[in-house]
Amino acid sequence: DQQVKQNSPSLSVQEGRISILNCDYTNSMFDYFLWYKKYPAEGPTFLISISSIKDKNEDGRFTVFLNKSAKHLSLHIVPSQPGDSAVYFCAASAGTYKYIFGTGTRLKVLA
Amino acid sequence: DAMVIQNPRYQVTQFGKPVTLSCSQTLNHNVMYWYQQKSSQAPKLLFHYYDKDFNNEADTPDNFQSRRPNTSFCFLDIRSPGLGDAAMYLCATSRDIVGQGSYNEQFFGPGTRLTVL
Repeated sequence: DQQVKQNSPSLSVQEGRISILNCDYTNSMFDYFLWYKKYPAEGPTFLISISSIKDKNEDGRFTVFLNKSAKHLSLHIVPSQPGDSAVYFCAASAGTYKYIFGTGTRLKVLA
Repeated sequence: DAMVIQNPRYQVTQFGKPVTLSCSQTLNHNVMYWYQQKSSQAPKLLFHYYDKDFNNEADTPDNFQSRRPNTSFCFLDIRSPGLGDAAMYLCATSRDIVGQGSYNEQFFGPGTRLTVL
């Protein structure tokens, strides 16, 4: 039973345009969400987070939006750059230090 | 730079031959995790150490064991690897301080890719 779902295995975006990566969850107890980026042959690295008390968090080109009623979050990258090409994982926590990860979305930014 | 190191990066073992993967960290984090990730799947938590306390996930097979001799090191032992255990194994760390909230990101090592022949 996948509690955190990333239904798009891959996404291609033109350089300079917006990338939108989506994540859905089923557990209403989740109250903290993270996005990780993973390059080939490297471990995932933390990108941005959001608490359930917020609906938006922004860090430079990266913005995460949370819609609690829809149990949906999204990561926006504007503008997209070729160096953003990676696999992006969302992860969720229900008030503990443990996280449930999604299956990831492979983003390819075309130059 | 503070980091999480995993050795080896690639490990080949034979069916049924015990294998040990290692993880070390210079972050001085009190929580260490082992994840298994198969192709196109989510990283799956096998177990974690909170300080010296071992916490096994309910669905982790008995074939998988772990040791944490000190704060910096953690080992994953696979007693009798099967073909289905071929995967990427990720070690991660985090700092959790009781009473100060648990919303801390995890720091990952580069992973060890295990091949079982």
